Amino acid sequence: TQLLEQSPQFLSIQEGENLTVYCNSSSVFSSLQWYRQEPGEGPVLLVTVVTGGEVKKLKRLTFQFGDARKDSSLHITAAQPGDTGLYLCAGPNTNAGKSTFGDGTTLTVKP
Amino acid sequence: GAVVSQHPSRVICKSGTSVKIECRSLDFQATTMFWYRQFPKQSLMLMATSNEGSKATYEQGVEKDKFLINHASLTLSTLTVTSAHPEDSSFYICSASPRTAYSPLHFGNGTRLTVT
Repeated sequence: TQLLEQSPQFLSIQEGENLTVYCNSSSVFSSLQWYRQEPGEGPVLLVTVVTGGEVKKLKRLTFQFGDARKDSSLHITAAQPGDTGLYLCAGPNTNAGKSTFGDGTTLTVKP
Repeated sequence: GAVVSQHPSRVICKSGTSVKIECRSLDFQATTMFWYRQFPKQSLMLMATSNEGSKATYEQGVEKDKFLINHASLTLSTLTVTSAHPEDSSFYICSASPRTAYSPLHFGNGTRLTVT
């Protein structure tokens, strides 16, 4: 069974601070996705990482895929209240034809 | 592209009645769609995999007679919560993927079900 462990589960910070969210597994994934979900809405795709060691940047968000494709991280620089939400990592479980999701990180950025 | 529409966004029903939730892929065909249930501040819990033209595959612990899934076309899957009870109140979300290489899931906006 492919599992994704996400940490921390909850994070509350002040506006302007930096933070990192981790997504770890003992299994290799062909790709990993990061989503952000706001209350009352569905998750929205932020990025897909495919290549081991890959780094992708989306404005103040930096995503890394581990060299062995077993882990990923999301770093937010100078967090803003608009970054508040539930962050989910997910990876395809190709054998089962579905995706595995991490437990999520609830981020609150206080003004 | 890759838009998934879910309807309704909110529904309130009385205990014992049934509620149907629709999930449509607007600009791509989806042979497979997924239905999830989500509790506050928690991750998505996969309920079932909806397969076009065949029976859905339910996750362990999910009652298939309670949560009826129909995937009659390549762009539409429906989830019917039958004989709803207050404990069925939750946020239900569907997803689908265009199924290209490394294609991620695209999610509907969810349905908040409240059973009174």
